[in-house]
Amino acid sequence: KQEVTQIPAALSVPEGENLVLNCSFTDSAIYNLQWFRQDPGKGLTSLLLIQSSQREQTSGRLNASLDKSSGRSTLYIAASQPGDSATYLCAVGLTSGTYKYIFGTGTRLKVLA
Amino acid sequence: DAGVIQSPRHEVTEMGQEVTLRCKPISGHDYLFWYRQTMMRGLELLIYFNNNVPIDDSGMPEDRFSAKMPNASFSTLKIQPSEPRDSAVYFCASSFLAPTDTQYFGPGTRLTVL
Repeated sequence: KQEVTQIPAALSVPEGENLVLNCSFTDSAIYNLQWFRQDPGKGLTSLLLIQSSQREQTSGRLNASLDKSSGRSTLYIAASQPGDSATYLCAVGLTSGTYKYIFGTGTRLKVLA
Repeated sequence: DAGVIQSPRHEVTEMGQEVTLRCKPISGHDYLFWYRQTMMRGLELLIYFNNNVPIDDSGMPEDRFSAKMPNASFSTLKIQPSEPRDSAVYFCASSFLAPTDTQYFGPGTRLTVL
């Protein structure tokens, strides 16, 4: 059974700092991996989607990497801003049986002005 | 496009009552998903549809839960009878061509069962 873990559960950093969020998964047979952002009281917003054949994806100040063999993905946020404060979730796309995502428990990020 | 629309945004009900949550996916999306989010269990997939047909309902917790998608623009998740442990935020999401494409989430329905 695929398990997805995100460490740390919570993180506070000063504005301007570069930071890395981690996502680990137990079964490397994944289809893709997606990073989401969730603001309090709102739904999830997709940030980046990495196919299993890719090593990384970039969007603006965000860079996500994927290492299937080690079961790890990282989300790098450059020059963090208070507006980046949110919960970040990774989701692993499975292909065994029906296709679906298994979500991690999230990292709650607070960027201090 | 207005995005995925869910109603109601908040629902408070008494134990034993029937609850119906509603979702309108993004027009043209073939897949619709229902998720539940709690502090204890995180975000869990309950059921998803492809072209209005249920594909995987293995996450539906028990027979008290049922979901329908009568047409491409509307889906319901019903809980009957509701219990306090059903209290959670329920999200609807949709994707375009595949269940592992980018998923677009609605704002969620916060359900409280007293």
